[in-house]
Amino acid sequence: AQKVTQAQTEISVVEKEDVTLDCVYETRDTTYYLFWYKQPPSGELVFLIRRNSFDEQNEISGRYSWNFQKSTSSFNFTITASQVVDSAVYFCALSDGETSGSRLTFGEGTQLTVNP
Amino acid sequence: EAQVTQNPRYLITVTGKKLTVTCSQNMNHEYMSWYRQDPGLGLRQIYYSMNVEVTDKGDVPEGYKVSRKEKRNFPLILESPSPNQTSLYFCASRPELAGWYEQYFGPGTRLTVT
Repeated sequence: AQKVTQAQTEISVVEKEDVTLDCVYETRDTTYYLFWYKQPPSGELVFLIRRNSFDEQNEISGRYSWNFQKSTSSFNFTITASQVVDSAVYFCALSDGETSGSRLTFGEGTQLTVNP
Repeated sequence: EAQVTQNPRYLITVTGKKLTVTCSQNMNHEYMSWYRQDPGLGLRQIYYSMNVEVTDKGDVPEGYKVSRKEKRNFPLILESPSPNQTSLYFCASRPELAGWYEQYFGPGTRLTVT
């Protein structure tokens, strides 16, 4: 069975601080895919990144970066120099590989509040 | 514009009154699914469909029905809603059956059952 844990329920920072959102996953599959989604106050779900289990390279996209470590089953998300517009709920999710119908298992979500 | 649409966006109903939430995608996607979002629980899959007339249960299917008569539509049916089905519901689709592809989510439907 798959499981995704986001232990940080809520994080509050002041603008321009760096913040890291933790994500720990469990799966028995050797091939799997990890995702991060953002849910701003307006409620929609916005896809941020996908990473497959064979690619442990870290990724940077502007102020966003992701650290994937298979040894600790973690896929952490860092926002550098946070801004008020980063305030949202962030979800980490896991997909169980290449089988047809493979489902997306979500973590509980982390509410990030960036204060001016 | 490529999108997943859901209707209604907001719905308040009473216990036992049958309702349907519609979902439609215009991207010719094979895979569609329904999730519910509850505080502290993230999103949990209710049902999914891999093609027309092919549907299967997700993690929390009790109290829900779905159908896939056309590729673009995947309605969620609550035959006899109860207060514990008060939640935020998302429909999603993805182009292929494999888990590599990200899912495209609709805007959500906030349902309140009194």
